[in-house]
Amino acid sequence: NAGVTQTPKFQVLKTGQSMTLQCAQDMNHEYMSWYRQDPGMGLRLIHYSVGAGITDQGEVPNGYNVSRSTTEDFPLRLLSAAPSQTSVYFCASSDRTGTYEQYFGPGTRLTVT
Amino acid sequence: DAKTTQPPSMDCAEGRAANLPCNHSTISGNEYVYWYRQIHSQGPQYIIHGLKNNETNEMASLIITEDRKSSTLILPHATLRDTAVYYCIVRVGWGTGSQGNLIFGKGTKLSVKP
Repeated sequence: NAGVTQTPKFQVLKTGQSMTLQCAQDMNHEYMSWYRQDPGMGLRLIHYSVGAGITDQGEVPNGYNVSRSTTEDFPLRLLSAAPSQTSVYFCASSDRTGTYEQYFGPGTRLTVT
Repeated sequence: DAKTTQPPSMDCAEGRAANLPCNHSTISGNEYVYWYRQIHSQGPQYIIHGLKNNETNEMASLIITEDRKSSTLILPHATLRDTAVYYCIVRVGWGTGSQGNLIFGKGTKLSVKP
């Protein structure tokens, strides 16, 4: 299993540009989520999904959209990038059995100039 | 907001036990205590979790007080590779909707020194 994969690893955007951060998992997990981490801070939840076709907002959803058309993929779209969205973005997935352990991807480092 | 309180930083000598405390005085009866760690800038990694009994796995031990208002993560023989930020999180077991979400605080930065 590849686990949770994220692309790209690094991205630089200009203010106002849009882009999609990709996240995929091959563990057939129902639950997926997106977090952002600013320097010196803990992770903050942006959006999450408890299954295909179901998404909901987390703590800091403004400026981001998500969709979940398949179990495997959970892309995060930045609609109009702003410097305040400069951050490291982590995707995570979990099943609903056992430890409910969340598996995190390696992150995407985004800079908005 | 995070429901836990942790010291911002701790040091530990290599080979010694690292004891990381966490206060969660408002924990509910159906909430578990989870520990994750984040090494450098990698994605967080699950360590262990428990409800009210002490737990041990190949990575660590988790000691939860009888009143469940605090807990301690123990790394029995810390190595330099255990240098990381450790997050203590309380969360219900699986339910519906937002109950699966992890709410991260700032964690404890553990520095293991030679």
